[in-house]
Amino acid sequence: EPEVTQTPSHQVTQMGQEVILRCVPISNHLYFYWYRQILGQKVEFLVSFYNNEISEKSEIFDDQFSVERPDGSNFTLKIRSTKLEDSAMYFCASSETRGSGTEAFFGQGTRLTVV
Amino acid sequence: EDQVTQSPEALRLQEGESSSLNCSYTVSGLRGLFWYRQDPGKGPEFLFTLYSAGEEKEKERLKATLTKKESFLHITAPKPEDSATYLCAVQAQYGGATNKLIFGTGTLLAVQP
Repeated sequence: EPEVTQTPSHQVTQMGQEVILRCVPISNHLYFYWYRQILGQKVEFLVSFYNNEISEKSEIFDDQFSVERPDGSNFTLKIRSTKLEDSAMYFCASSETRGSGTEAFFGQGTRLTVV
Repeated sequence: EDQVTQSPEALRLQEGESSSLNCSYTVSGLRGLFWYRQDPGKGPEFLFTLYSAGEEKEKERLKATLTKKESFLHITAPKPEDSATYLCAVQAQYGGATNKLIFGTGTLLAVQP
């Protein structure tokens, strides 16, 4: 069964360092997303990406964050200068179409720990 | 403001003891309501999509229903392997299509043998 793959599963970084989280969405999907979940809190939307551009972003997704689809299979989230409060699980998701009610399939997540 | 509220926060059942989880939502226009299962340290696993009031969907011991204000996830004769956090999420419409999901905080279900 097709699945969304994320690497690494766990990343520890020093405050102020740049991190890149990587995702391989399901191959025939057109919409890509990043969500995050701080320990014990809700899953929160960060950004959606379609046709090689951001289609929507949340208030969390400030200038420190960027996304890229560098080739035909990978989708990345970059955090330029990490803060302690960026520590969270980051989930990549993809969906097949942009139609109403289209379900998103999530990866297993990258646990980011900023020290 | 669009909002999703789930109750109870936690639920402990004996194996075979049926129950229901609730998801109340307030959105400007509902495009879809989604149920996911999340195991500890894992990503949300898709279960169901509901689009309109009166709709029902079933999968094994789970059945999801939808009204204009809430959704229920009914668990019939649960087994220990059904233990997980169940997340409800909505897609809302803001005068144009958006695919973002708004999640509730989830219900942590523990099924004891």
